[in-house]
Amino acid sequence: GAVVSQHPSWVICKSGTSVKIECRSLDFQATTMFWYRQFPKQSLMLMATSNEGSKATYEQGVEKDKFLINHASLTLSTLTVTSAHPEDSSFYICSASPPTRGTQYFGPGTRLTVL
Amino acid sequence: AQSVTQLDSQVPVFEEAPVELRCNYSSSVSVYLFWYVQYPNQGLQLLLKYLSGSTLVKGINGFEAEFNKSQTSFHLRKPSVHISDTAEYFCAVSDDAGGTSYGKLTFGQGTILTVHP
Repeated sequence: GAVVSQHPSWVICKSGTSVKIECRSLDFQATTMFWYRQFPKQSLMLMATSNEGSKATYEQGVEKDKFLINHASLTLSTLTVTSAHPEDSSFYICSASPPTRGTQYFGPGTRLTVL
Repeated sequence: AQSVTQLDSQVPVFEEAPVELRCNYSSSVSVYLFWYVQYPNQGLQLLLKYLSGSTLVKGINGFEAEFNKSQTSFHLRKPSVHISDTAEYFCAVSDDAGGTSYGKLTFGQGTILTVHP
């Protein structure tokens, strides 16, 4: 149980284009989903917290207009990187938390490369 | 505010040797503590967690961790490691404060465990 999927697993795009990443909780309802980015050889940095049906809460320094987050249902959240640039290349990981307290379950990550 | 410190960035060990990965945290409120493992180019897999109750927590793959409130530590141990344990391990803490900070994980810097034959 507690499986989280991400799609796509990797994506290459041209500078200036937008990329959408999906995060799904497959066998539980996720009232809260989190989006992280991880640079090579570094830890995970929280970008935003997404609650179903409400606006995402962004961490300091994360541009909300660049990283659009939508949490339309209890099993799906999307992250759209708008007008991507090479410096946005990173490993993006989502996690989902069920209504019961305490645990986040992570997706397998999406490798984004912007040329 | 919370913080997590993993004292060792890299830990090399030989196969079948015991290993301890150290984690210290700071928080002004009650915490939940987690250890996650990350294999190359993959997401994080939960190894074990401490929410309440017994301070000795057993997880998957033979790992265990002990919550020590007085020392604010949550060290991860395994009595005999395998080559397949080679990965990066992250300690994380979340608080029980509720509100917008509820459930947010703060991660340590990670420890790369390399098991040599």
